[in-house]
Amino acid sequence: RKEVEQDPGPFNVPEGATVAFNCTYSNSASQSFFWYRQDCRKEPKLLMSVYSSGNEDGRFTAQLNRASQYISLLIRDSKLSDSATYLCVVNMASSNTGKLIFGQGTTLQVKP
Amino acid sequence: ETGVTQTPRHLVMGMTNKKSLKCEQHLGHNAMYWYKQSAKKPLELMFVYSLEERVENNSVPSRFSPECPNSSHLFLHLHTLQPEDSALYLCASSQYWDSSYEQYFGPGTRLTVT
Repeated sequence: RKEVEQDPGPFNVPEGATVAFNCTYSNSASQSFFWYRQDCRKEPKLLMSVYSSGNEDGRFTAQLNRASQYISLLIRDSKLSDSATYLCVVNMASSNTGKLIFGQGTTLQVKP
Repeated sequence: ETGVTQTPRHLVMGMTNKKSLKCEQHLGHNAMYWYKQSAKKPLELMFVYSLEERVENNSVPSRFSPECPNSSHLFLHLHTLQPEDSALYLCASSQYWDSSYEQYFGPGTRLTVT
């Protein structure tokens, strides 16, 4: 089983749509969870951290389900500029070090 | 300059060459990282330096040799590479070697081994 698993997509959605991505992780001792965004041929950038109680940042909502070991990202009212690859990132050490494990990424294409 | 910079941005080298990748961070961070990103594969952590001390070596072949002369600079020395080493090499930094701190990435060096 992969340490962090994502559906690579691509997800093709029209502008204004709501889209959700899921990600599963294998280590139940993981403490920290993130979504990074990577534009084509660019470096990854932090989109948002994922907290146990769930968190929202504008059109983006992240949820964590520890029992089922998955995290999710919901994007509402999709914009063309949301087109990118979304990386699910989990820290693999129970001691909360900076060792992060990246998923393969889910590609989103928002069409006009 | 701000953020994390990397040079060169593109590099083509033969299997017998020796080259070095350079990373510099202007953020006052204490931890620096090297990652490898191959096509269709997730980012793979290679090395981590915290306070100029190597704290992680993720089973990387010895043909990759990191160096961290101070907290702002990180190098990756390359020698006798293989074609499968062709990839995007990303440098990152964070305030501390702790997952609660965001990692900031440089633009990467796209390496092609011929």
